Amino acid sequence: DQQVKQNSPSLSVQEGRISILNCDYTNSMFDYFLWYKKYPAEGPTFLISISSIKDKNEDGRFTVFLNKSAKHLSLHIVPSQPGDSAVYFCAASEGYQKVTFGTGTKLQVIP
Amino acid sequence: DVKVTQSSRYLVKRTGEKVFLECVQDMDHENMFWYRQDPGLGLRLIYFSYDVKMKEKGDIPEGYSVSREKKERFSLILESASTNQTSMYLCASSLIGGGSNQPQHFGDGTRLSIL
Repeated sequence: DQQVKQNSPSLSVQEGRISILNCDYTNSMFDYFLWYKKYPAEGPTFLISISSIKDKNEDGRFTVFLNKSAKHLSLHIVPSQPGDSAVYFCAASEGYQKVTFGTGTKLQVIP
Repeated sequence: DVKVTQSSRYLVKRTGEKVFLECVQDMDHENMFWYRQDPGLGLRLIYFSYDVKMKEKGDIPEGYSVSREKKERFSLILESASTNQTSMYLCASSLIGGGSNQPQHFGDGTRLSIL
């Protein structure tokens, strides 16, 4: 049972435009959400996170929005750059140890 | 900077062999994790450890075991390798509280092929 879902396997966006990556979850006990970015042949790297008590967190060009009632979060990248082309994983945790990852969305930013 | 080092980038083994994947972290992190990444399935947790000699099963522990004799080292063991264990294996570490505001730091992965 996939508790964290990323329904779009891929996304293409023009350079300079906004990229919106979506993530849905089913476990209402998740209390922390994270986004990781992965380049080919490298491990994932942490990008941005949000606590369940907030609805928005911003870090430079990256903003994560959380809609708890809809069990939905999204990552906005503005403006998108070619270097943002990577696979993005949504992740969620319940408690303080185990993290559940989504299946990933491959973002391609076209110059 | 946190460094998580996986002993091999690529590994080819035969069916039935006992396979060891090693992972070392240099930041005194309490938590360590082993995942496998497969197309369309994302990252799936195999085992994790929150202290020396402690281990917890993840979502897909069957066919695997782990060892954590020292805080900095976490080994994944395929007791009798099978072709369905061909995958990318990723090790990660984090401070205690690895979900809540303590992100995991990943190694670059080991691509394991079982022939």
